[in-house]
Amino acid sequence: QQQVKQSPQSLIVQKGGISIINCAYENTAFDYFPWYQQFPGKGPALLIAIRPDVSEKKEGRFTISFNKSAKQFSLHIMDSQPGDSATYFCAARVTSGTYKYIFGTGTRLKVLA
Amino acid sequence: DTGVSQDPRHKITKRGQNVTFRCDPISEHNRLYWYRQTLGQGPEFLTYFQNEAQLEKSRLLSDRFSAERPKGSFSTLEIQRTEQGDSAMYLCASSKGQYNEQFFGPGTRLTVL
Repeated sequence: QQQVKQSPQSLIVQKGGISIINCAYENTAFDYFPWYQQFPGKGPALLIAIRPDVSEKKEGRFTISFNKSAKQFSLHIMDSQPGDSATYFCAARVTSGTYKYIFGTGTRLKVLA
Repeated sequence: DTGVSQDPRHKITKRGQNVTFRCDPISEHNRLYWYRQTLGQGPEFLTYFQNEAQLEKSRLLSDRFSAERPKGSFSTLEIQRTEQGDSAMYLCASSKGQYNEQFFGPGTRLTVL
């Protein structure tokens, strides 16, 4: 089964706080795990991505933590800002063939000023 | 690099009508994907082109849907005899090579009345 489970569905964080979004997968035929940010009416934009041979990747205020044995990965947004308010999707790329993405159901983040 | 473009951005049609969407990928990107996103959900894979060849179609792509990518450049997605259940955001993404991330267009929002 190619599924990616994402939680929470929605998240409210105070400005300056840490936002944490979690994803889990069952199928091991994934080789790349990107996170996308989507604003209303826009297409998803790549935020940060990680390969399974790395346990953590940091880019500015955004960090991905990856636990290969648990088949879980998470996005941490440090010092969250109102401009971060958007919907975030985790995804997993199928290893072969099309290299299509399987997306999670999304987390709607609201950062309060 | 002008990004992935999609046209139209919005389409309202009556049930039973045919609609066609266009996607222009980033130049030199040989891989092109179509996804469908319904409200509150993550994008779901519809179909994939490598150059001009359509190599995979999802079960979501009923026989009312057809996609083409003539000459391996732009792509079109046609829906015949639209149904209310076809109302969604149709996203196009492209990538260069199998290991590179997918870049998404802004999407076409379809509303079937």
